Formats: sequence, structure tokens, C-alpha cells
Amino acid sequence: GAGVSQSPSNKVTEKGKDVELRCDPISGHTALYWYRQSLGQGLEFLIYFQGNSAPDKSGLPSDRFSAERTGGSVSTLTIQRTQQEDSAVYLCASSLYSPGLNYGYTFGSGTRLTVV
Amino acid sequence: AQSVTQLGSHVSVSEGALVLLRCNYSSSVPPYLFWYVQYPNQGLQLLLKYTSAATLVKGINGFEAEFKKSETSFHLTKPSAHMRDAAEYFCAVTLGDKLIFGTGTRLQVFP
Repeated sequence: GAGVSQSPSNKVTEKGKDVELRCDPISGHTALYWYRQSLGQGLEFLIYFQGNSAPDKSGLPSDRFSAERTGGSVSTLTIQRTQQEDSAVYLCASSLYSPGLNYGYTFGSGTRLTVV
Repeated sequence: AQSVTQLGSHVSVSEGALVLLRCNYSSSVPPYLFWYVQYPNQGLQLLLKYTSAATLVKGINGFEAEFKKSETSFHLTKPSAHMRDAAEYFCAVTLGDKLIFGTGTRLQVFP
């Protein structure tokens, strides 16, 4: 696609429910990233995919968070048993190569998750 | 480990005034540095990047940043602010295969 697409754009869920957030990266981008942006805070790294593998998942805050990527394309971030502190904007980004090779990211518009 | 510090969570300027947003980095290797802008309810957009070529980097919308190794800084500037520049700005540095972001600076522009 022309850009990074995230769905849904907004999600309100009840505490304790599971949610799935979807990211469709730019076609051909092998690297995919998930970040979390909480009110008044910066971007918190969650997980990085290269192809379908996740060589760095060091930012996942708890075992309630998981992510997968299939076909080297679409990725799903799943949060189980949501808590109010999970409320945030979840941003996905993709890159042709890793930033270490000087390409930056292209970000999606994010999914705003509200846990009530 | 690589990190960035943005001094000032909020900056206010008058329209037409100089914009200066500060970013200092910490890196054990020559860094790649980035500035991103986030407009309300949108994702982040790349403004400019430093990748060890020219130390003065020009970006979109009239912004530029200068890499100063002696000061470990990569401050973002624009000579004359416009109302449309009001947004949140993030500095970032590479750490392995990912970017580490600062906490952001919200720029307000007053008429």
C-alpha cells in the first residue's frame, strides 16, 4: 500500500477483555515496529519484526502482550485481559531496512485504545 | 546505551520568531539521528535525518538541524515560525535495529 495502515483507529474496550490491533505496512518493507504512546510520554518501543521473526521483543511490558507477523506483511498486536494502564495510542511503523542503515520509519496513524 | 534527551517539554514562540528545539544524544558509536513531527491525531512524520554526511541537515517545512559532536547535540531550528508548525516534535537515535525516541517537545505558536 501507499502508507502504513492501522486498524481500528479507535478502540474502546472493557477491562479484562482481549483486543487485537492490526498493522498493514508499506509493501516491500521488511522491518516492522510497534510503539506505545501514553499521554504526556514519549514513544515506548514494544517489538520489532524483520520478516516474520521478532529479533527484539524487549519492550513488551508483560506476558499479556504478544504480537505476530505473517507473510512478511500484516502484523497483529494482541493484548489479553486489558487493564486501564494499557490505555494509549499504539503506533506501528515500517522500514525498508533497519534504521541502522539510515532509513527512517514510516508511521501509521495509530490505534487509540481506551480501557474502561 | 544510546539515548536522547529533549530539553523542554513545551516551547512557545510567536509567529515569525525563531524556533529552537533542543536534543542531546548519548551514543557509544557514531549515531544516526532523526527528528519527527506529530500533528494532532496523526502518526509521526519524518522531518530530517543525520546519517554522518553533512553536519547541517535540511528537512521539510523549512526546518534544519546541526549535528555537533563536541556538544553531543542535534538541535532543530527554523528561522521563522508559522502557525501550522504547532505540533509535537520528537528526536530519535538508532539503537541497533530500532529507534529510541525522546519524550517530545510540544511547540505552540502564537499569532
